[in-house]
Amino acid sequence: QKEVEQNSGPLSVPEGAIASLNCTYSDRVSQSFFWYRQYSGKSPELIMSIYSNGDKEDGRFTAQLNKASQYVSLLIRDSQPSDSATYLCALSQAGNNRKLIWGLGTSLAVNP
Amino acid sequence: EAGVVQSPRYKIIEKKQPVAFWCNPISGHNTLYWYLQNLGQGPELLIRYENEEAVDDSQLPKDRFSAERLKGVDSTLKIQPAELGDSAVYLCASSSPRGGSSNEQFFGPGTRLTVL
Repeated sequence: QKEVEQNSGPLSVPEGAIASLNCTYSDRVSQSFFWYRQYSGKSPELIMSIYSNGDKEDGRFTAQLNKASQYVSLLIRDSQPSDSATYLCALSQAGNNRKLIWGLGTSLAVNP
Repeated sequence: EAGVVQSPRYKIIEKKQPVAFWCNPISGHNTLYWYLQNLGQGPELLIRYENEEAVDDSQLPKDRFSAERLKGVDSTLKIQPAELGDSAVYLCASSSPRGGSSNEQFFGPGTRLTVL
């Protein structure tokens, strides 16, 4: 089992809909969780970080963390064509080694 | 605040040639990372620096790759000699000093290397 798993997609949603991206992980001691957005040919851009169970909202983005079930999700409300990108889930494990474990990413296409 | 700066943005070389990449992290960020990213994959850590000390270089192919961060700010990653399989995007990232649970990493634009 991979340490961080994401559905590779592509996930296709119509403009204005809610896009739901999911990520599961295997290490129960993981502490910090991050969502990065990566446009084709560009570098990853941090869009959300979450550290405790529950929801964290930032504009149209909501991250949800459930440590008991070992998943973290990203909801994008009112999806726009400009949201079309690959979304990478990453986590940092317990301890102070500051190493991120990465998923392979989910490709999102928002159709006008 | 300026982001992470990398140069060059693109590099095309023939196999067996040397190549070097340069990175300037976000001001005040003591931790610097070099990653390699292949198409359709997540970033793979090559080396992590805390100030000028390389604290995790376990994934760096030391027979041909080297890195330095002499003054704890800028860093250079070198490949000598380059092989066809080294074609990838080389990403530099930085994060804020130790303390707390945050490990938010911020990436530079990357260097796309093509080895012919």
